[in-house]
Amino acid sequence: DQQVKQNSPSLSVQEGRISILNCDYTNSMFDYFLWYKKYPAEGPTFLISISSIKDKNEDGRFTVFLNKSAKHLSLHIVPSQPGDSAVYFCAASVYGGSQGNLIFGKGTKLSVKP
Amino acid sequence: DGGITQSPKYLFRKEGQNVTLSCEQNLNHDAMYWYRQDPGQGLRLIYYSQIVNDFQKGDIAEGYSVSREKKESFPLTVTSAQKNPTAFYLCASSIIGQYPNYGYTFGSGTRLTVV
Repeated sequence: DQQVKQNSPSLSVQEGRISILNCDYTNSMFDYFLWYKKYPAEGPTFLISISSIKDKNEDGRFTVFLNKSAKHLSLHIVPSQPGDSAVYFCAASVYGGSQGNLIFGKGTKLSVKP
Repeated sequence: DGGITQSPKYLFRKEGQNVTLSCEQNLNHDAMYWYRQDPGQGLRLIYYSQIVNDFQKGDIAEGYSVSREKKESFPLTVTSAQKNPTAFYLCASSIIGQYPNYGYTFGSGTRLTVV
């Protein structure tokens, strides 16, 4: 069963508008969450992260919100730019867990139209 | 500059042949990982290693093998037992125990096509 779910395979927004990418998780032990951005035929690159002791983390145009009670996080991109068009992966981990591995969602493909 | 290098970027093999994908990192990271990406499937973990000469199976290890003889290197062999080997393969590395952390550093991937 998927522990990290990105239920929207794709999202299309207009340049300059807000992009909101959503992610849900089932494991209440997750205490660290990350977003990665991936262009075709390239490896994912780290975008932004948030620990479970926070409910918001901001870095320039990117903000991640965490709602622990709902086991939900979201990535906001404001304003969206055509260069933001990529696949975005949500990932979660348990600090000090037996593996230290990240659990990835299936990704959401964002298309920003000029 | 430190980084993680996968080679080759594109690889073609005939069905039934084994093939080895290279992954090298000079980040002094303890852990290394292999993922496979298929359309609509996200990133699925094949194998991971947290220490030299030790590795663990991930979710889809069947038909694959790895070795970790050096900290810097984690090659993946796709064997003839892998039923559907055509995919995009990603290698990653990370520091264990760093918190907060930036998760994994990924290589640029290898596209394997079996004909």
